[in-house]
Amino acid sequence: RKEVEQDPGPFNVPEGATVAFNCTYSNSASQSFFWYRQDCRKEPKLLMSVYSSGNEDGRFTAQLNRASQYISLLIRDSKLSDSATYLCVVNQLTTDSWGKLQFGAGTQVVVTP
Amino acid sequence: DVKVTQSSRYLVKRTGEKVFLECVQDMDHENMFWYRQDPGLGLRLIYFSYDVKMKEKGDIPEGYSVSREKKERFSLILESASTNQTSMYLCASSLVNSYEQYFGPGTRLTVT
Repeated sequence: RKEVEQDPGPFNVPEGATVAFNCTYSNSASQSFFWYRQDCRKEPKLLMSVYSSGNEDGRFTAQLNRASQYISLLIRDSKLSDSATYLCVVNQLTTDSWGKLQFGAGTQVVVTP
Repeated sequence: DVKVTQSSRYLVKRTGEKVFLECVQDMDHENMFWYRQDPGLGLRLIYFSYDVKMKEKGDIPEGYSVSREKKERFSLILESASTNQTSMYLCASSLVNSYEQYFGPGTRLTVT
């Protein structure tokens, strides 16, 4: 079983609509959670961290559900520029001070005019 | 502005060749990483380094080695390239204990 699982999509979203998708993680010891964004043929970039209380960054809202071991990302008022692959990333602290990041395979979002 | 550069965007090598992939960061980051990215599998960690001359195996180190002689440079070496090493290779760096990794543009390696 993969440590981080995502629906690969694509999620086809009309411009202006809302889209939401989840990611599940298998290791209950995971402590930190992130969403990275990867544009086509580009490198991943940090979109936002995910906090236990949930957090917003403009049109983006991230939620964490520890009991069910999933995180979610919601995009409101979708723009054409939101078209990308969204990578779910989970950190698990190891015995040394450095934590390894586990990346999901990504959820593709396509925003259409 | 944060910058991670990789020596090549595209590389074609033959089976059995020794391949060097270079990564340089200009942010004085302590941590550097090498990943490969394959469709449906996501990014998988090959090796990482948290200091000069220090290296740790990631999830899939077999067939690879690394070198970090200077803080800003982290090299990935394929001792004898094989066709199953055809992939996108991404280098990243981060500050110590930071979860934000900065990625290079990637090297698409094809082994024929």
